[in-house]
Amino acid sequence: SQTIHQWPATLVQPVGSPLSLECTVEGTSNPNLYWYRQAAGRGLQLLFYSVGIGQISSEVPQNLSASRPQDRQFILSSKKLLLSDSGFYLCASRGQGSSPLHFGNGTRLTVT
Amino acid sequence: RKEVEQDPGPFNVPEGATVAFNCTYSNSASQSFFWYRQDCRKEPKLLMSVYSSGNEDGRFTAQLNRASQYISLLIRDSKLSDSATYLCVVNRPGGGADGLTFGKGTHLIIQP
Repeated sequence: SQTIHQWPATLVQPVGSPLSLECTVEGTSNPNLYWYRQAAGRGLQLLFYSVGIGQISSEVPQNLSASRPQDRQFILSSKKLLLSDSGFYLCASRGQGSSPLHFGNGTRLTVT
Repeated sequence: RKEVEQDPGPFNVPEGATVAFNCTYSNSASQSFFWYRQDCRKEPKLLMSVYSSGNEDGRFTAQLNRASQYISLLIRDSKLSDSATYLCVVNRPGGGADGLTFGKGTHLIIQP
């Protein structure tokens, strides 16, 4: 079964600082990869998804970007964080077809 | 009408009772369905897939009603540890965002 590694678990960053969150996946090849964000007490918001290396679909206009330099690596970045970027960031992976999503443990980001 | 809708609750249920909640979806082309469980400040975890004929996993039973376009989750002999938010996920191949849509979740509280 696949395992999704996400780090760090928690992060406190000042407004205007850059961000880089990394996610790696084990136990599967050519997965679809996702970044979600969840604000406190809210539902999941899809930020980006990728069906292959270098292929990124953005779901929400924002100051975040994503990259997929390798098949099982997905990176979420920002050049300048905003207060509104605070939240729980989740990386997820799924195989092809109708397979379910599997989530990493998440990164709780607080922008101060 | 939202693509996937859930009653947010909270459902307050005494320990040992049976509880059921539904998730409605708007697009009849939806093909696969899942229930996830999310504990406070944790990542969602796959609880069970939902099959056309219905399926059971221990105390949990999931059912699909294509005619009325909803899925259900029934929990028997509820435990304190069942307290969580339950998310339904609907997969529509060819749909936007890789076809996956999350409900906002139903909050369940099992009371001693």
